[in-house]
Amino acid sequence: SQTIHQWPATLVQPVGSPLSLECTVEGTSNPNLYWYRQAAGRGLQLLFYSVGIGQISSEVPQNLSASRPQDRQFILSSKKLLLSDSGFYLCAWRRLAGAIETQYFGPGTRLLVL
Amino acid sequence: LAKTTQPISMDSYEGQEVNITCSHNNIATNDYITWYQQFPSQGPRFIIQGYKTKVTNEVASLFIPADRKSSTLSLPRVSLSDTAVYYCLVGAGYSSASKIIFGSGTRLSIRP
Repeated sequence: SQTIHQWPATLVQPVGSPLSLECTVEGTSNPNLYWYRQAAGRGLQLLFYSVGIGQISSEVPQNLSASRPQDRQFILSSKKLLLSDSGFYLCAWRRLAGAIETQYFGPGTRLLVL
Repeated sequence: LAKTTQPISMDSYEGQEVNITCSHNNIATNDYITWYQQFPSQGPRFIIQGYKTKVTNEVASLFIPADRKSSTLSLPRVSLSDTAVYYCLVGAGYSSASKIIFGSGTRLSIRP
């Protein structure tokens, strides 16, 4: 079965510090991977998605970046965090069975920037 | 990508049937309709998916009229544990680079 991992689970960082969040998927190969951010009480905002190693599509211009160094690894980074980067970060992978598509989410990382 | 519109919030009581309707007027021919459920501090969880008419699983039913411009998620006999945010999504699985966009969802509150 497929499993998606995220770490860390929670993170408190000062403004201006760097960020690295990691997501890994087990039990599938060449998955489409996604990074979302959710502010408190709000919906999910798609940040990045990747269809393969080294392939990143950005949805929202900001101080975040993403990388996919391995097939089942997706990393979200920032060189200098802003207060507005606080939120709940979710990684997801897409399962495609014929024409039916579903997304499976990791446990998330709660980031607080102070 | 077809945009979806759903109520911001709904309230109900334990044991009641809850119906959440989603509008998607610009749905494309090859789009499927998918509903997710999200509890606080967790990622969304797939509930049900359909293309037309009615789909039922152990959790919910999904009703889709012939014109497919809307859909209704039906939760039978809700309990307190059904309190969550419910998202309606419309999209196709044919594109290898498909983007899945979540709206704001419907915040469902179940009372004793």
